[in-house]
Amino acid sequence: GAVVSQHPSWVICKSGTSVKIECRSLDFQATTMFWYRQFPKQSLMLMATSNEGSKATYEQGVEKDKFLINHASLTLSTLTVTSAHPEDSSFYICSASRRSVNTGELFFGEGSRLTVL
Amino acid sequence: KQEVTQIPAALSVPEGENLVLNCSFTDSAIYNLQWFRQDPGKGLTSLLLIQSSQREQTSGRLNASLDKSSGRSTLYIAASQPGDSATYLCAVTSNTGKLIFGQGTTLQVKP
Repeated sequence: GAVVSQHPSWVICKSGTSVKIECRSLDFQATTMFWYRQFPKQSLMLMATSNEGSKATYEQGVEKDKFLINHASLTLSTLTVTSAHPEDSSFYICSASRRSVNTGELFFGEGSRLTVL
Repeated sequence: KQEVTQIPAALSVPEGENLVLNCSFTDSAIYNLQWFRQDPGKGLTSLLLIQSSQREQTSGRLNASLDKSSGRSTLYIAASQPGDSATYLCAVTSNTGKLIFGQGTTLQVKP
């Protein structure tokens, strides 16, 4: 099956610093990548939709200047949490859909756990 | 606005029992429905994908059904095992490509 890799899997940072999370589709080209966040014991909430070569579309309530998304190629999307604060501590997961297969099936990364001190 | 609800929120069963997890959604205009498994602190594993034109999908001990008109899906797990303990999430894909998740059902299978 298709593999999506996220890096880092966990990160601890000080308040005020910026953190970059990478999402790579290893064996397929991804037309679209999605970024989610998950608070403890809650479901995943879509943050933004990222299309290669164009600006990301953010969900209501998600600050685009705080969560910078770059989808520079068909295999890589990055999420940068700028000036992170403790309330940004969460589990961030990306998913990708295959360019050549239009089933709507999404493949998920393993997630990145961010802890802001 | 599409809303996805999963019942029950938590379930504990003895090993070997067959069980059913329920998922309902408010807008029947969906592209597909997926069931996922999530282990604590981990990402998601896709279990079954049902296209909007399909009624069910099977994979091993898992069977998922879809009734689009009533806005319901069920995940049937046969002969449950302790290794099945996890949180099960259902999610619908809207015709615009957005994936909306339910809150999940946390399953514990006791040896």
